[in-house]
Amino acid sequence: RKEVEQDPGPFNVPEGATVAFNCTYSNSASQSFFWYRQDCRKEPKLLMSVYSSGNEDGRFTAQLNRASQYISLLIRDSKLSDSATYLCVVTLGTGGFKTIFGAGTRLFVKA
Amino acid sequence: EAGVVQSPRYKIIEKKQPVAFWCNPISGHNTLYWYLQNLGQGPELLIRYENEEAVDDSQLPKDRFSAERLKGVDSTLKIQPAELGDSAVYLCASSPQSSYNEQFFGPGTRLTVL
Repeated sequence: RKEVEQDPGPFNVPEGATVAFNCTYSNSASQSFFWYRQDCRKEPKLLMSVYSSGNEDGRFTAQLNRASQYISLLIRDSKLSDSATYLCVVTLGTGGFKTIFGAGTRLFVKA
Repeated sequence: EAGVVQSPRYKIIEKKQPVAFWCNPISGHNTLYWYLQNLGQGPELLIRYENEEAVDDSQLPKDRFSAERLKGVDSTLKIQPAELGDSAVYLCASSPQSSYNEQFFGPGTRLTVL
């Protein structure tokens, strides 16, 4: 079982739609959680951190469920520019610091 | 402020040849990472530096891969000899310190081994 698992998609949605991605992680010692965005043939960039209380940034909402070991990303009112791959990222520990990226979920938003 | 710089952006070599990639992190960033990314996969950590010390190289294939960050600033990743399976994008990232949330990535070097 992979340490961080994501549905690879692709998710094909129309503009204005709401879309949600989930990501599961296997190590209960995971401490920090993030969503990165990666455009085609570009480098990953931080989209948002995921806090235990959940957090929202404009049209994007991230949630963490430690009991079930998953995080989610919700995108409301999808824009064409949201088309990208969304990478789930988990960090383990502090002394044995380790960052693990999921394989990513591809999103296509169409007009 | 300049971001993470990597060179070359593209490299095509024949198998069994050596190749080297260079990375200059954001000024003041003590932590530097080298990742490998295959098509359709997420980045996989090869090595992490804290200043000039390699603090995590457990995923680096040491029979053919080597890395250095001699003065704790820029870094070089080398493969010798390259194999067909090494074809991938090699990403460098940096952060102010390892406990900092965000990693800043360079544009990557796309390696093709023929």
